[in-house]
Amino acid sequence: SYELTQSPSVSVSPGQTARITCSGDELTKQYAYWYQQKPGQAPVMVIYKDSERPSGISERLSGSTSGTTATLTISGVQAEDEADYYCQSADSIGAVVFGGGTKVTVL
Amino acid sequence: EVQLVESGGGLVKSGGSLRLSCEVSGLPFNNAWMSWVRQAPGKGLEWVGRVKTESDGGTIDYAPSVRGRFIISRDESKNLMFLQMNSLKTEDTALYYCSILTSPVAFWGQGTRVTVSS
Repeated sequence: SYELTQSPSVSVSPGQTARITCSGDELTKQYAYWYQQKPGQAPVMVIYKDSERPSGISERLSGSTSGTTATLTISGVQAEDEADYYCQSADSIGAVVFGGGTKVTVL
Repeated sequence: EVQLVESGGGLVKSGGSLRLSCEVSGLPFNNAWMSWVRQAPGKGLEWVGRVKTESDGGTIDYAPSVRGRFIISRDESKNLMFLQMNSLKTEDTALYYCSILTSPVAFWGQGTRVTVSS
């Protein structure tokens, strides 16, 4: 079955830039979406359709896609950005797939 | 305000069955593709399945891990979605979320916890 691959963890100092990648063959044809999840809370969409940012989401979060890799970039990382981040897309028949998640730790 | 409220979780023995419900308010239910997403303790998000709207054919899709054991349905008259879980395994232990995975806003419930004991 189709999989999206994310690195398990990223550590970054405050003010630096964190980059989270998500790899999958269908990303050349399907959009990537990104969710932020903090402990004990439901996920929140932070990027949709590869690079669009929903209203109310910090401008420090941005998304891009190149080939089979989607990237979520967090610029000027702050303590509040510490969370798990999941990419989501679809397979060739439109079934939803989530990546394994990346834990962002702010040092 | 959009609200998704799950119910029906609990403790069940391996091989048993459980039925989850999701009640939706605050948006036109008959326009929403409804999904179940689960999260095992300390693990990531896993899509369980989805039911499309009747106007889109009402197609139901499942993740390979639950296909043949779980059944998703919806009741348009009551704004409800259901997840009938049969032949439960210990690896089905998780927090089960009801969700509407649209953009630019996705809607999630707070989840209902399912524990499958051996």
